[in-house]
Amino acid sequence: AQKITQTQPGMFVQEKEAVTLDCTYDTSDQSYGLFWYKQPSSGEMIFLIYQGSYDEQNATEGRYSLNFQKARKSANLVISASQLGDSAMYFCAMREIAKGNTPLVFGKGTRLSVIA
Amino acid sequence: SQTIHQWPATLVQPVGSPLSLECTVEGTSNPNLYWYRQAAGRGLQLLFYSVGIGQISSEVPQNLSASRPQDRQFILSSKKLLLSDSGFYLCAVRSANEKLFFGSGTQLSVL
Repeated sequence: AQKITQTQPGMFVQEKEAVTLDCTYDTSDQSYGLFWYKQPSSGEMIFLIYQGSYDEQNATEGRYSLNFQKARKSANLVISASQLGDSAMYFCAMREIAKGNTPLVFGKGTRLSVIA
Repeated sequence: SQTIHQWPATLVQPVGSPLSLECTVEGTSNPNLYWYRQAAGRGLQLLFYSVGIGQISSEVPQNLSASRPQDRQFILSSKKLLLSDSGFYLCAVRSANEKLFFGSGTQLSVL
């Protein structure tokens, strides 16, 4: 079964507007971490934001915030004031920490296009 | 802070030829290391991960193998490449604060 689901293959947003990229996850563990990565056309994977399952507040990093709804098992990424440079693939990922040295599992990604 | 060296950046290989991709890490000891593959326009598929020297976990049975001969060296290999091995290969290291940092990747084209 898929552990990370990103239902939006592609998204468009107007420059300076906010956009939400959806991510739902599936785990029975109590201790896990949720991540968002950005992959521009150059191919590099850029870490954006991290949310631990026990963190009570939503994570924020500059223009990025993670809307963590534990009961719904969702970890949506919100990008405020979109910029043209935000155009990229965005991947949601999860690691089940309680199981020890388990790897990150990634979703299939969402391609975001920012329009001037 | 840790640095990941991955090479080569691009590689074109004929079907049936061998493969060796190397990843080395600086600035950390006893790291957890990972090999991911990304097919064109697709998500990341975990291939192998290693928690220590000589310890390799395989996630997908396939034509590839991995080795960790030294603490900060992770090698991805194949004896005979297939067309389906084409893709973007990324090495990654997990930091103490859970973040996963990636190398710059190798674009492999098997022709």
